[in-house]
Amino acid sequence: EPEVTQTPSHQVTQMGQEVILRCVPISNHLYFYWYRQILGQKVEFLVSFYNNEISEKSEIFDDQFSVERPDGSNFTLKIRSTKLEDSAMYFCASRVPNEQFFGPGTRLTVL
Amino acid sequence: GESVGLHLPTLSVQEGDNSIINCAYSNSASDYFIWYKQESGKGPQFIIDIRSNMDKRQGQRVTVLLNKTVKHLSLQIAATQPGDSAVYFCAENLSGDSNYQLIWGAGTKLIIKP
Repeated sequence: EPEVTQTPSHQVTQMGQEVILRCVPISNHLYFYWYRQILGQKVEFLVSFYNNEISEKSEIFDDQFSVERPDGSNFTLKIRSTKLEDSAMYFCASRVPNEQFFGPGTRLTVL
Repeated sequence: GESVGLHLPTLSVQEGDNSIINCAYSNSASDYFIWYKQESGKGPQFIIDIRSNMDKRQGQRVTVLLNKTVKHLSLQIAATQPGDSAVYFCAENLSGDSNYQLIWGAGTKLIIKP
């Protein structure tokens, strides 16, 4: 069964460093998403991506964040200068009409 | 602001009994609702969805009920099993939002007692 994959599963970084979280969406999907979930809290929408551009973004997705689809398979989330409050699980998702499929997440720990 | 929320943070149910997880939403423009299951250490997993033109939808062992009058959504799990232990999130999609931006509730942790 096709699935969304994410790497790494856990990323530890120092405050101020750049991180890139990687996702491989399901191959025939056209819509891609990033969400984050701070430990014990609800899932929060970050950004949606379609046709090689951002469709929508939340207020969380400020200038420190960027997304790319550098090739036909990968979808990345970059945080330029990480802050302590960026520590969270980051989930990538892709979708077909009426159903999103989520990856297993990357746990980002900012020290 | 408008948001989706859950009534109870934790629900403890005897194995074999039915579980009912509730969700309140405040945006009357929402037209599509989804229940997700999140097991420990994993990403959310789609369970069942319902559109606003329906009030009930059934899946395998699960039923979602939608009451638009009081803006209430519930997930019923029949004959709860240990594998049902997880956090359950409801999410809503705003009407006309073609980008499928979901607004998530806070989650209810379902605990199964043996």
